[in-house]
Amino acid sequence: KNQVEQSPQSLIILEGKNCTLQCNYTVSPFSNLRWYKQDTGRGPVSLTIMTFSENTKSNGRYTATLDADTKQSSLHITASQLSDSASYICGGASGGSYIPTFGRGTSLIVHP
Amino acid sequence: EAGVVQSPRYKIIEKKQPVAFWCNPISGHNTLYWYLQNLGQGPELLIRYENEEAVDDSQLPKDRFSAERLKGVDSTLKIQPAELGDSAVYLCASSSSGSGGNTQYFGPGTRLTVL
Repeated sequence: KNQVEQSPQSLIILEGKNCTLQCNYTVSPFSNLRWYKQDTGRGPVSLTIMTFSENTKSNGRYTATLDADTKQSSLHITASQLSDSASYICGGASGGSYIPTFGRGTSLIVHP
Repeated sequence: EAGVVQSPRYKIIEKKQPVAFWCNPISGHNTLYWYLQNLGQGPELLIRYENEEAVDDSQLPKDRFSAERLKGVDSTLKIQPAELGDSAVYLCASSSSGSGGNTQYFGPGTRLTVL
């Protein structure tokens, strides 16, 4: 059964600081790894999608990394802003599917 | 370009009542998904459509849940009768057909409260 575990469950940082969120996945056979941002009361918005051959991908201040050997991914947020306060959800898709199994998310709060 | 549209945004009903959710995907997207998201959890797939055909409905509780996408565009998800445990956010998403790396675009969701 495919599984995705995220850590930490929640994180509080000060505006302007960097942070890194973690995702461990058990997805077989691996197809792609996705990160989403979900604001309160909104649907998830895709940040990055990485396949087996990609080990890093950036989207503005968001940089995702993928280590296919250890089955780990991280999302690094640089120079955080108040608008980065949201839940960040990791999803791993298997085979040729683009239907990810999602983790529970990390709730990020950025304080001024 | 308009995003995925869902209605209603909020719905409060008593248990054993029926309820329906509507979704209009992004124009031209052949693939439509319905997800359920409980508080503090990630989305869980209920059903996926390729055009008007349901190609993955293994997680849909068919005793009380039903869905349709008659013309391969908009879709309706129904619950009858609703139970207390159905309280959750119901998300609709769409993507263009093609390779496995297609981006899913989510709607804002319908928050269902069953009393």
